[in-house]
Amino acid sequence: AQSVSQHNHHVILSEAASLELGCNYSYGGTVNLFWYVQYPGQHLQLLLKYFSGDPLVKGIKGFEAEFIKSKFSFNLRKPSVQWSDTAEYFCAVNAGQAGTALIFGKGTTLSVSS
Amino acid sequence: GAVVSQHPSRVICKSGTSVKIECRSLDFQATTMFWYRQFPKQSLMLMATSNEGSKATYEQGVEKDKFLINHASLTLSTLTVTSAHPEDSSFYICSAGGAGSSYNEQFFGPGTRLTVL
Repeated sequence: AQSVSQHNHHVILSEAASLELGCNYSYGGTVNLFWYVQYPGQHLQLLLKYFSGDPLVKGIKGFEAEFIKSKFSFNLRKPSVQWSDTAEYFCAVNAGQAGTALIFGKGTTLSVSS
Repeated sequence: GAVVSQHPSRVICKSGTSVKIECRSLDFQATTMFWYRQFPKQSLMLMATSNEGSKATYEQGVEKDKFLINHASLTLSTLTVTSAHPEDSSFYICSAGGAGSSYNEQFFGPGTRLTVL
């Protein structure tokens, strides 16, 4: 069965600091990878996704993620965080077939102080 | 991106009553819809997968007789929580994928907050 691990439960940063959130998955086949953000009181928003091709994926709001197949990882990065990035971040994966559900990691709470 | 709506956004009900939550894909045909549950400060847990016109596939540990899912059309899926109890209080989120969406991408609804008294 697929599973997703997010190593950081709660990350606290000051504005302008760099961010890296870890995500590892376990699945032997082709996968699609996603990062979602959930701002307080709001619904999930897609930050970025990887289906195939360039393993370095750029998303919205200055986020990027790198797929490293050999490490089964898909870490999220942002060079300089802002206070408005305070939110819950979820890594998710599904098998590379149409119609399969997403499996989510437990999430990482990011708190950015101004 | 595609838009998915959920109704209602919040519902409070008494223990023992049933509650129906609707999930609609507004601008595309969703061949597959998924229902997730999110407890406070926790991740989304997949409850079931429904394909239009067929029975839903439930995840292990999810009671199919308690959480009734109907996917009668390509734009509507409903989740009915039957005989709700306080432990069913949670945030229920649907997502939709299929024709019109990027390959294997899903679009999430805003969620429904269920509180059972």
